[in-house]
Amino acid sequence: AQKITQTQPGMFVQEKEAVTLDCTYDTSDPSYGLFWYKQPSSGEMIFLIYQGSYDQQNATEGRYSLNFQKARKSANLVISASQLGDSAMYFCAMREAQRGSQGNLIFGKGTKLSVKP
Amino acid sequence: DAGITQSPRHKVTETGTPVTLRCHQTENHRYMYWYRQDPGHGLRLIHYSYGVKDTDKGEVSDGYSVSRSKTEDFLLTLESATSSQTSVYFCAISGGGGGEAFFGQGTRLTVV
Repeated sequence: AQKITQTQPGMFVQEKEAVTLDCTYDTSDPSYGLFWYKQPSSGEMIFLIYQGSYDQQNATEGRYSLNFQKARKSANLVISASQLGDSAMYFCAMREAQRGSQGNLIFGKGTKLSVKP
Repeated sequence: DAGITQSPRHKVTETGTPVTLRCHQTENHRYMYWYRQDPGHGLRLIHYSYGVKDTDKGEVSDGYSVSRSKTEDFLLTLESATSSQTSVYFCAISGGGGGEAFFGQGTRLTVV
């Protein structure tokens, strides 16, 4: 079974609008971390935001926020006021603590976001 | 920028030849990872390391081996390269816990 599921292979959003990228995860570990990364066409992986399983508040970093719904096991990324430079692949990832203090870090298949002018 | 470098950045090799990719870090991070990225599959974990000489298999470890004899270096070896191993390979490092993983720039490997 997939540990990280991103159900939207591709999405379009109008410039200056907000967009939500979906991510659901599966774990029995009570301690885990959730990450979002951006990969532009140039290929580098850029860290965006982190949410710990025990964090009480949703994480925010500038225009990025993580809508964390623990009971639903979802960790959606919200990008406010989209910009043309936001066009990229976006990956959701999870690290479980128990299965490692080994820190196994696994990724979803990604969502390709295209921002329209 | 995190101190992580991959070498080589590009490589073309023939089927059946051994290939070693190197990941070098200057951050003294505990965890190191090797991923491969293929269209439609995202990043799939090959192997990872949680300390010197401590490694474990990931989702797609068949055909790959790794070694970590020093904190700063994590080597990925394809013992006998096959065309199905044509991919972009990423190394990542992390201090663990809530720390983000930092990625190398990737190695594009083509097996002909």
